[in-house]
Amino acid sequence: DAKTTQPPSMDCAEGRAANLPCNHSTISGNEYVYWYRQIHSQGPQYIIHGLKNNETNEMASLIITEDRKSSTLILPHATLRDTAVYYCIVRDTGANSKLTFGKGITLSVRP
Amino acid sequence: NAGVMQNPRHLVRRRGQEARLRCSPMKGHSHVYWYRQLPEEGLKFMVYLQKENIIDESGMPKERFSAEFPKEGPSILRIQQVVRGDSAAYFCASSSGHLNTEAFFGQGTRLTVV
Repeated sequence: DAKTTQPPSMDCAEGRAANLPCNHSTISGNEYVYWYRQIHSQGPQYIIHGLKNNETNEMASLIITEDRKSSTLILPHATLRDTAVYYCIVRDTGANSKLTFGKGITLSVRP
Repeated sequence: NAGVMQNPRHLVRRRGQEARLRCSPMKGHSHVYWYRQLPEEGLKFMVYLQKENIIDESGMPKERFSAEFPKEGPSILRIQQVVRGDSAAYFCASSSGHLNTEAFFGQGTRLTVV
């Protein structure tokens, strides 16, 4: 019952920007967009989250469209260690609700 | 500031035994979430607990599984009479409880039932 859709996979060259798309057309006004990644069956790693404004941190940037129906996670300079499954998650702001993971997108960074 | 600690990292149980998985949240965090990941599958929510309270157990199997988060000590996920289908990676995450804050995950416990 994930509320997001992502392509199953993509690849990019090492050193280039990786732009990972996510559709969340049914997002409601009180829901945030979160991104996590899972590297080879390790514990999921938090990347970034946002409501409607674009966000940037040391790992990535999150671009959310004005209508909030889609977003893009940008890894500005992908490295081989960024190869992972990336999950885009819509989460209700209320009461620290659970994160519902979908299938995610498998990013393969090639040398 | 230590992250979320799970132990053991690997656990082997024979069918019919009990498995106890422990999760110590990050310092200052009072909310814990448990997830299960079957081989080659995605992460499935199991239960969400706050200190001494179960907030959401909508993902917990109806039988054999239970979870607690006592006032003192780690959160425990308990699986009674394990079966081969329980073999999976079990992850816990913790958060501070403040609105719109991220949850951080541990490295998981890999349970193998033989």
